[in-house]
Amino acid sequence: DVKVTQSSRYLVKRTGEKVFLECVQDMDHENMFWYRQDPGLGLRLIYFSYDVKMKEKGDIPEGYSVSREKKERFSLILESASTNQTSMYLCASRDRRVWFGYTFGSGTRLTVV
Amino acid sequence: AQTVTQSQPEMSVQEAETVTLSCTYDTSESDYYLFWYKQPPSRQMILVIRQEAYKQQNATENRFSVNFQKAAKSFSLKISDSQLGDAAMYFCAYRSFGGATNKLIFGTGTLLAVQP
Repeated sequence: DVKVTQSSRYLVKRTGEKVFLECVQDMDHENMFWYRQDPGLGLRLIYFSYDVKMKEKGDIPEGYSVSREKKERFSLILESASTNQTSMYLCASRDRRVWFGYTFGSGTRLTVV
Repeated sequence: AQTVTQSQPEMSVQEAETVTLSCTYDTSESDYYLFWYKQPPSRQMILVIRQEAYKQQNATENRFSVNFQKAAKSFSLKISDSQLGDAAMYFCAYRSFGGATNKLIFGTGTLLAVQP
């Protein structure tokens, strides 16, 4: 089975810290995505990548950046964490050969204090 | 831009009964895909059912079925013979047809409680 692994399930960081959220997939998927999940707002796309070193902004990229140096790893970076970035972050990858082939990680619940 | 609306933040159903979750969407595209995902407390998003817009026949997966009405831009999920394990957050999602990136656009979710 395809696995999408997010390195931390829970994370607590201080305001102003630089935060890295890591996501690794093991099935050579080209597409990878970072979503933010908030109650009443659903999942909103932050950034996505369609290949190594290729990235595009999603709907809410402000305050975030991403890195994809290797195909299997897609990192979300909070340059200077703020309390309004307290949220659940979900990573996903997609097999381009399968139109419904999205696989999600188990999420990282980030609290910024 | 496409949008997905789930107007029921919470729903409740008795075990063994049937429940329908609503989803509407807005798009100017004629070809697209629609999904229902389930997110249990473990947080792992699980694909429940999927529908290609060009197919008139409603998708069915065991106890789960959809009522896809393309003209009305409606995509509701029916869960029959509800089980305790069906309790979860359910998200409706839209994806454009074709293209290299194919991001999913999600609704705000419906939290389903199943009463024993």
